[in-house]
Amino acid sequence: SSELTQDPAVSVALGQTVRITCQGDSLRSYYASWYQQKPGQAPVLVIYGKNNRPSGIPDRFSGSSSGNTASLTITGAQAEDEADYYCNSRDSSGNHRVVFGGGTKLTVL
Amino acid sequence: QVQLQESGPGLVKPSGTLSLTCAVSGGSISSSNWWSWVRQPPGKGLEWIGEIYHSGSTNYNPSLKSRVTISVDKSKNQFSLKLSSVTAADTAVYYCARDTYGRVEQWLEYYFDYWGQGTLVTVSS
Repeated sequence: SSELTQDPAVSVALGQTVRITCQGDSLRSYYASWYQQKPGQAPVLVIYGKNNRPSGIPDRFSGSSSGNTASLTITGAQAEDEADYYCNSRDSSGNHRVVFGGGTKLTVL
Repeated sequence: QVQLQESGPGLVKPSGTLSLTCAVSGGSISSSNWWSWVRQPPGKGLEWIGEIYHSGSTNYNPSLKSRVTISVDKSKNQFSLKLSSVTAADTAVYYCARDTYGRVEQWLEYYFDYWGQGTLVTVSS
């Protein structure tokens, strides 16, 4: 399968830890990349590779992977982390297709 | 710091052709990166349209392949999207982005590290 599956919505209490997951066969070959998107804004890369953060991304964001599942963890969620989060990889079946998960809406309570 | 900027008409008539350009600044389009178009219908998720390398090699989303053409103009450091036979379902915010590939041991990395701000294209008569 070339699809990536995410839970549509997740909530977390302010200051607590939340994990957002992404499942797909391509994740057995590719590290997932993760994007944060706030309303009216372009997506922003927050995690790529094994567990890399671009410059400017807080260290409360981390990534991990096991089997066909990738996870984005926010440790000590802040109000400004409320956003949509998308995972992404390439299809590993050789057709060069790029795939996104359906997105997870994170609500910080 | 690489910057990308989309430009083009914000309104296209049904059955017409959507045309957008992405200007790249702060870096060369002839770098070892691919360059992509991604779209997002209102209230929905992200959909990859296709990508191009500076050599002109392209890969397209199979679901759009019959209607999409992506081209590159190295002299202007920009790349372009054409989507033909548009319908209301093609109404979306269109983003251009830079792809980066890598390999770490047996694992592959792939991500979009730079994005344009996006441009809304509405298909309507």
